[in-house]
Amino acid sequence: GAGVSQTPSNKVTEKGKYVELRCDPISGHTALYWYRQSLGQGPEFLIYFQGTGAADDSGLPNDRFFAVRPEGSVSTLKIQRTERGDSAVYLCASSLSGGNNEQFFGPGTRLTVL
Amino acid sequence: KNEVEQSPQNLTAQEGEFITINCSYSVGISALHWLQQHPGGGIVSLFMLSSGKKKHGRLIATINIQEKHSSLHITASHPRDSAVYICAVFPGGGADGLTFGKGTHLIIQP
Repeated sequence: GAGVSQTPSNKVTEKGKYVELRCDPISGHTALYWYRQSLGQGPEFLIYFQGTGAADDSGLPNDRFFAVRPEGSVSTLKIQRTERGDSAVYLCASSLSGGNNEQFFGPGTRLTVL
Repeated sequence: KNEVEQSPQNLTAQEGEFITINCSYSVGISALHWLQQHPGGGIVSLFMLSSGKKKHGRLIATINIQEKHSSLHITASHPRDSAVYICAVFPGGGADGLTFGKGTHLIIQP
């Protein structure tokens, strides 16, 4: 595909449920980032993958959040026991090789926890 | 952790006006990004710069590394420029991710 894609575009769930958010990066990009943007705020870093491994997960807020990238391309962000405070837009970005290379952003997944 | 501050938070101007959005950060960086976000839309990268000045059409971005400050200018502003403009720095709080400002909400009135 031409750009970064994310699915679903919108997800509504109930408190306590499990959700998975998917990111398809630009083909050939080894670096993949997850960010979270709350209403009226700038995005916040969650986790960074270089290839298949999570090189930096220091932004994950707690152990309910987990992300994988098993084959070094598609990534899934998993949230267990969702809470209302998890409601936000979850953004994925990819870059050619990480570092300070330009990051290309997906359209985001808007998660609403009722 | 790098603190990124943008000003103003909100800006309303008339079509044709020269627009300036400012960004300051607290810790030395290797690169700074200016991003544009339309309501309900994704984020688009406008510039990535580590020194000096870049120009693309009506947009100009400058950075002063010593003063830890960057500006985004829009010349001959147009209603289609209405969007949120976000400054982001690398490295940020997570060593390998960007740290973002809260954004400047720009409205250009016809």
